[in-house]
Amino acid sequence: GIQVEQSPPDLILQEGANSTLRCNFSDSVNNLQWFHQNPWGQLINLFYIPSGTKQNGRLSATTVATERYSLLYISSSQTTDSGVYFCAVRDSGAGSYQLTFGKGTKLSVIP
Amino acid sequence: DGGITQSPKYLFRKEGQNVTLSCEQNLNHDAMYWYRQDPGQGLRLIYYSQIVNDFQKGDIAEGYSVSREKKESFPLTVTSAQKNPTAFYLCASRHSQGYGYTFGSGTRLTVV
Repeated sequence: GIQVEQSPPDLILQEGANSTLRCNFSDSVNNLQWFHQNPWGQLINLFYIPSGTKQNGRLSATTVATERYSLLYISSSQTTDSGVYFCAVRDSGAGSYQLTFGKGTKLSVIP
Repeated sequence: DGGITQSPKYLFRKEGQNVTLSCEQNLNHDAMYWYRQDPGQGLRLIYYSQIVNDFQKGDIAEGYSVSREKKESFPLTVTSAQKNPTAFYLCASRHSQGYGYTFGSGTRLTVV
């Protein structure tokens, strides 16, 4: 099956700093999503981005499908950004819409 | 407000017991999913269902069972055959015409 690797596994930031999270995947995909899991376990969908660039406030994401990677940018980080960020993909051959998740990047933003 | 409700939030199971985790959605979504999350790991798919009365095994279905008798409900039973059930369980749903997943708030299961 498709492999998803996220880096870095852990990241500690001072409040106000910027960061870039990376997601590499092993095969062509037709669905790529970024999620944020808060410290209480709730997953929130941030972006659906199989290709191109999107922005939502301080967050933006870019997927270069031909090179099999996606980047999530967090600018002017806040303590509420803390949690785990997951990348999830569906490979082009899958017929079930099931997503394969990476292991996540754990972000800690300190005041 | 529409959403997914998982219950209970915390569940304790004795060795040899079956337990059932509830997942209910009022989003009118066709597809529903169960994922398992272990510490420091990503989510792994247990079972999924795309329509009522039909479901498919995911990557780690052994020791689990599901039913989909109603569109709104997709309960997961953790059987005694699941040797390491302590984990965080997440239910999700998706509209058949859409790509976005909505997740519940999860059930934390602990074997005592």
